[in-house]
Amino acid sequence: KNQVEQSPQSLIILEGKNCTLQCNYTVSPFSNLRWYKQDTGRGPVSLTIMTFSENTKSNGRYTATLDADTKQSSLHITASQLSDSASYICVVSPGSNDYKLSFGAGTTVTVRA
Amino acid sequence: KAGVTQTPRYLIKTRGQQVTLSCSPISGHRSVSWYQQTPGQGLQFLFEYFSETQRNKGNFPGRFSGRQFSNSRSEMNVSTLELGDSALYLCASTHGGSANEQFFGPGTRLTVL
Repeated sequence: KNQVEQSPQSLIILEGKNCTLQCNYTVSPFSNLRWYKQDTGRGPVSLTIMTFSENTKSNGRYTATLDADTKQSSLHITASQLSDSASYICVVSPGSNDYKLSFGAGTTVTVRA
Repeated sequence: KAGVTQTPRYLIKTRGQQVTLSCSPISGHRSVSWYQQTPGQGLQFLFEYFSETQRNKGNFPGRFSGRQFSNSRSEMNVSTLELGDSALYLCASTHGGSANEQFFGPGTRLTVL
């Protein structure tokens, strides 16, 4: 069973609207959680990295939240643009010296004009 | 600073052949990880190299192998290709362990016919 579950699997939103993506994880211990954006045919690009002590982190119109107690994270996209159409992947690192990152399957976001 | 580069970007092979993919990490990064990405499975960890040594390995058959050179460049080899090996192969480099931010290359799209 995957230790990182993302929802929804895909969503379609209109340009200018907001959306929220969810990531639930069971990885333990936990070192940090990352959100990546991956455009079609490209490698993932890091959006945010949060340690267990951080509750929120922003990168432009992207805001990630983390609740280490409930093991949930969300990525909020504000005022979506067509360029936000991509796959968003949640990645959890179990420890500072453990290289077995756990990847979510991703949420595919399609922004329409 | 140049990003992670991967060559070739696209490759078409037939079943039974072998293939070698190359990855050049960001200058100064000593860790290189390889991933296989397919639409149904998402990102799957292959292996990670640090200072020319394989430090961690995923659950892939022995047909998948890799190595790292003294300049931190890495190659992965897949022998006796199968149709199911068709995927986007990504490499990522990081300065130290995976707890640090990973920077992904654009990937090599391998198609096995």
